[in-house]
Amino acid sequence: DAGITQSPRHKVTETGTPVTLRCHQTENHRYMYWYRQDPGHGLRLIHYSYGVKDTDKGEVSDGYSVSRSKTEDFLLTLESATSSQTSVYFCAISERTRRDEQYFGPGTRLTVT
Amino acid sequence: SQQGEEDPQALSIQEGENATMNCSYKTSINNLQWYRQNSGRGLVHLILIRSNEREKHSGRLRVTLDTSKKSSSLLITASRAADTASYFCATDDGQNFVFGPGTRLSVLP
Repeated sequence: DAGITQSPRHKVTETGTPVTLRCHQTENHRYMYWYRQDPGHGLRLIHYSYGVKDTDKGEVSDGYSVSRSKTEDFLLTLESATSSQTSVYFCAISERTRRDEQYFGPGTRLTVT
Repeated sequence: SQQGEEDPQALSIQEGENATMNCSYKTSINNLQWYRQNSGRGLVHLILIRSNEREKHSGRLRVTLDTSKKSSSLLITASRAADTASYFCATDDGQNFVFGPGTRLSVLP
């Protein structure tokens, strides 16, 4: 987990509230990713970024938005949280391309009640 | 849609035994990666094998890739209790980078 931090690590929120998760890296890697992990589904890509202000959708992007205003920070926002967004969220980074090995943060456990 | 599918879903072995888990995928790939996840932690990269490679080693890990069968295997030799974790394959087909649902390995002391 060195070089990648996520905050908060745990959060409980109510349905309908906005939530922002933060990923911070100190590796100066170009690519950053947000995944969610749910039992039986492995990791599913939500959004990724390939540079400052450059982002693209992943497999399960509905209900999520992202922003990257600095190389080191990648924010994931749930505009109006739903119970189906209860999950563990992982941030990851890769150095140059999407094909490179990815390094993962420690995860954020989000519960939407 | 999932590209890689690990098999078995769960595996229990005794310490010292070898563990083999498999990953099958559907479309042509550029590379395939294996990751380990200890309970409550993020994933850790183990090995990347490219489509033109057939075998790679890293310590006690051996990965093979058979592109004709669209499958890969991860062998952990002389397993230890610390190898208890979930193992995921991830495939890159040039368009998508997709993780499989994982194999849960338990190594019993």
